Amino acid sequence: AQSVTQLGSHVSVSEGALVLLRCNYSSSVPPYLFWYVQYPNQGLQLLLKYTTGATLVKGINGFEAEFKKSETSFHLTKPSAHMSDAAEYFCAVSVGGGYNKLIFGAGTRLAVHP
Amino acid sequence: GAVVSQHPSWVICKSGTSVKIECRSLDFQATTMFWYRQFPKQSLMLMATSNEGSKATYEQGVEKDKFLINHASLTLSTLTVTSAHPEDSSFYICSARDMAAGGETEAFFGQGTRLTVV
Repeated sequence: AQSVTQLGSHVSVSEGALVLLRCNYSSSVPPYLFWYVQYPNQGLQLLLKYTTGATLVKGINGFEAEFKKSETSFHLTKPSAHMSDAAEYFCAVSVGGGYNKLIFGAGTRLAVHP
Repeated sequence: GAVVSQHPSWVICKSGTSVKIECRSLDFQATTMFWYRQFPKQSLMLMATSNEGSKATYEQGVEKDKFLINHASLTLSTLTVTSAHPEDSSFYICSARDMAAGGETEAFFGQGTRLTVV
C-alpha cells in the first residue's frame, strides 16, 4: 500500500533563506510523486511531479524536488524563499503508480518572515 | 488549459437539508473525477472515484447513501451531501483527469467548496 509522510507540520524560514520541505513515501510499485501548494480557502496547485526519467524535477515558482529511490524520499526545495511562498504544501503519491487517485501527506505549513 | 471549476465556492445550509456541489472540466473531457474532503488544518482524504456513466467507487468508511456522486457527462460530476449535519462541514475538492491528451495524464484540481452546516 502507498503512504506519504511529511516531516514537520510547520516550517518557518526567513525571506531569502533556503526552503526544504521533507517527504518520504512508501510504494510497492514505481511511484508517481507530486507536490502541491494550497493557499487559504483555495484548491490545489501542482508545483511539480515525478513520473519517470530524470530524478531532479523542476517546477513552478523556483521549486524543485529530487526523487531518491534508495531513501524513498522526494524532498521539495527552493534556494531563496519569498513572502509569497507562505502556504500549505502537500506531498502525494499515486495509488498503484501511474496517474491514479492520490494519497496525500499531512501537509506542511510554510511560514516566511521578513 | 486544463481548468476544473467547482460551484459553489462556499455554501451554508441548515442541518437536515441537502447540498449539491458541481465539478466541471471547462476545456477538456474527464472520464474520471475524484472527490476529496479536507477538515480544517488536515490533509485531503479521498472520498470516491467517479467514472463517467458508471457508479462511483467509494473509499472505505465513506457513506455512499450520504454522499451521492453522479458523473453523468464527460465534463460534469456532482456531489450531493444528503441530510447534512454539522459534522459534514468541511472543504470538498474535486479533481478531474484529461483523457484527450492520450495515454495517462494527471488530474487537475478545482478550487474547492467550503460547506458549513448550521
